[in-house]
Amino acid sequence: AQSVTQLDSQVPVFEEAPVELRCNYSSSVSVYLFWYVQYPNQGLQLLLKYLSGSTLVKGINGFEAEFNKSQTSFHLRKPSVHISDTAEYFCAVSYYNQGGKLIFGQGTELSVKP
Amino acid sequence: NAGVTQTPKFQVLKTGQSMTLQCAQDMNHNSMYWYRQDPGMGLRLIYYSASEGTTDKGEVPNGYNVSRLNKREFSLRLESAAPSQTSVYFCASIENTEAFFGQGTRLTVV
Repeated sequence: AQSVTQLDSQVPVFEEAPVELRCNYSSSVSVYLFWYVQYPNQGLQLLLKYLSGSTLVKGINGFEAEFNKSQTSFHLRKPSVHISDTAEYFCAVSYYNQGGKLIFGQGTELSVKP
Repeated sequence: NAGVTQTPKFQVLKTGQSMTLQCAQDMNHNSMYWYRQDPGMGLRLIYYSASEGTTDKGEVPNGYNVSRLNKREFSLRLESAAPSQTSVYFCASIENTEAFFGQGTRLTVV
């Protein structure tokens, strides 16, 4: 079955420290990969996406992610976090020829402390 | 350009009551989706509609029905609400890997 696993449910980190949020997906076929952010009591906002080409993808707010096909991973990174990055982050995958249907991971709560 | 509009934003139901969540998009997209979000479980797909006139079950369809009324509108109906359906519901419209989400409906079933 197709699935997305976010390896950490909660990640506490101090302000200005680097952070990595981990995501693995299960698939033997080609995929599109996404990271979304959800601030408290708000909807989902796209951070970045990988469709093809360069495996290092840069997104908004200083985030980037690297697609690793051999490890079926798409980890999200930021070199220096701010208090305002406190939010829930969702990794998602969609598969070629499935009309854009998104399958989401369980989410990672990033908590940035002063 | 409003994108995806969901109504209502909040709703409290008693067990056994019915209600319909409305979703409309103004981007002329073919595909529309209903997800529910629960703590620690991410967003799970309830139903989707790949095009006008078609609907398909997702991961968690039990207790729900949907109607793709036309290309713009995709509604989700709870015929007999249960406490397990307490959740935040999101409608999405997706085309060519671009996904647009509604602001969500927070539903509480007591």
